[in-house]
Amino acid sequence: DSGVTQTPKHLITATGQRVTLRCSPRSGDLSVYWYQQSLDQGLQFLIQYYNGEERAKGNILERFSAQQFPDLHSELNLSSLELGDSALYFCASSAQGGGETQYFGPGTRLLVL
Amino acid sequence: EDQVTQSPEALRLQEGESSSLNCSYTVSGLRGLFWYRQDPGKGPEFLFTLYSAGEEKEKERLKATLTKKESFLHITAPKPEDSATYLCAVPYSGYALNFGKGTSLLVTP
Repeated sequence: DSGVTQTPKHLITATGQRVTLRCSPRSGDLSVYWYQQSLDQGLQFLIQYYNGEERAKGNILERFSAQQFPDLHSELNLSSLELGDSALYFCASSAQGGGETQYFGPGTRLLVL
Repeated sequence: EDQVTQSPEALRLQEGESSSLNCSYTVSGLRGLFWYRQDPGKGPEFLFTLYSAGEEKEKERLKATLTKKESFLHITAPKPEDSATYLCAVPYSGYALNFGKGTSLLVTP
């Protein structure tokens, strides 16, 4: 158990809908990262937050957004969903966000029908 | 552009048959190389971090080594429970991780 929690574990929805994925980092970690994993693309970095502020963006679509709250939990919002958004979404956390080890949560499996 | 390439894509071993997985990288100013293990449908599990050429780290049947251009994950006398996908990654923009596509390892009894 990494100490990172994610909810829900599974999500099934329809094209065009909007969903929210939630992540709670390990106790004491200030940085949260979101990654997407699909069969053909591997693990792709989406976005990073550090202590409530956006720090870096990766291959995140404009339809996706995220935020980190004062209690340091984070939410990833996916809107206008398409079939191709079906994937595993992982959250990771690290102490400071400065290149130290990232610990991953169990993931949310999203299926868009 | 920073790149991480892992080989082979898949590896099948008999129990007890030692082997090595390769991770080659092109990055300016390495700030660490990370190895993770991932079981199907689960989150990556941290194994090792290496920071400088010549560094080695061990955990049970696994040993990770680092040179200036690549890292190896050596698996000694593997057991079926070592079957998993092994991922390597290097930090890039904002210290997020750039992952290779992984090596899928199957160890048969």
